Amino acid sequence: KNEVEQSPQNLTAQEGEFITINCSYSVGISALHWLQQHPGGGIVSLFMLSSGKKKHGRLIATINIQEKHSSLHITASHPRDSAVYICAVSEWETSGSRLTFGEGTQLTVNP
Amino acid sequence: DARVTQTPRHKVTEMGQEVTMRCQPILGHNTVFWYRQTMMQGLELLAYFRNRAPLDDSGMPKDRFSAEMPDATLATLKIQPSEPRDSAVYFCASGLVRSGGYRDEQFFGPGTRLTVL
Repeated sequence: KNEVEQSPQNLTAQEGEFITINCSYSVGISALHWLQQHPGGGIVSLFMLSSGKKKHGRLIATINIQEKHSSLHITASHPRDSAVYICAVSEWETSGSRLTFGEGTQLTVNP
Repeated sequence: DARVTQTPRHKVTEMGQEVTMRCQPILGHNTVFWYRQTMMQGLELLAYFRNRAPLDDSGMPKDRFSAEMPDATLATLKIQPSEPRDSAVYFCASGLVRSGGYRDEQFFGPGTRLTVL
């Protein structure tokens, strides 16, 4: 069993739809990260959160520490949101912040 | 704006050759990570440094991979000898761990796409 699991693996939506990507983890963490990787390959950090909820534009990330679960929501989705979304956790350590990654969710938003 | 840079962006080499990938972390960041991404394994950590000291390189094949930080502005990842199974995209990322253990997000470089024939 992977330490970080995402669902779904693939998601196709129509422009304007509300999208949810889920992430569950099994280890103690200091923070959870949501990353976005576009077809060109670059990786961008969207959120880093350790509790509650964060919002940036049309993106919302939530985390429930007790349930070891996080969700990434995209409101009013757009074709430019098409990308791979990766959940990663940083385990609590005293001398580092290594990331353990989920397998990613391939999102395609059709016009 | 500040960003992590990596060179080269693409590298094609023959099996057995030495490969050196370079990374310039964001100025002021004290933690540097090397990740590898393949279709089969996804993203995985190879090694990371804090204040130029290696903290964990358990993800690297020790017999052929080596990672160093000659100075605060340069991190290197070497493969010698390279093998076809090393073909992947290698990402460098940097971040800041503040006093008290507070960690900022990680910033990723554009990656080096390595193909070993």
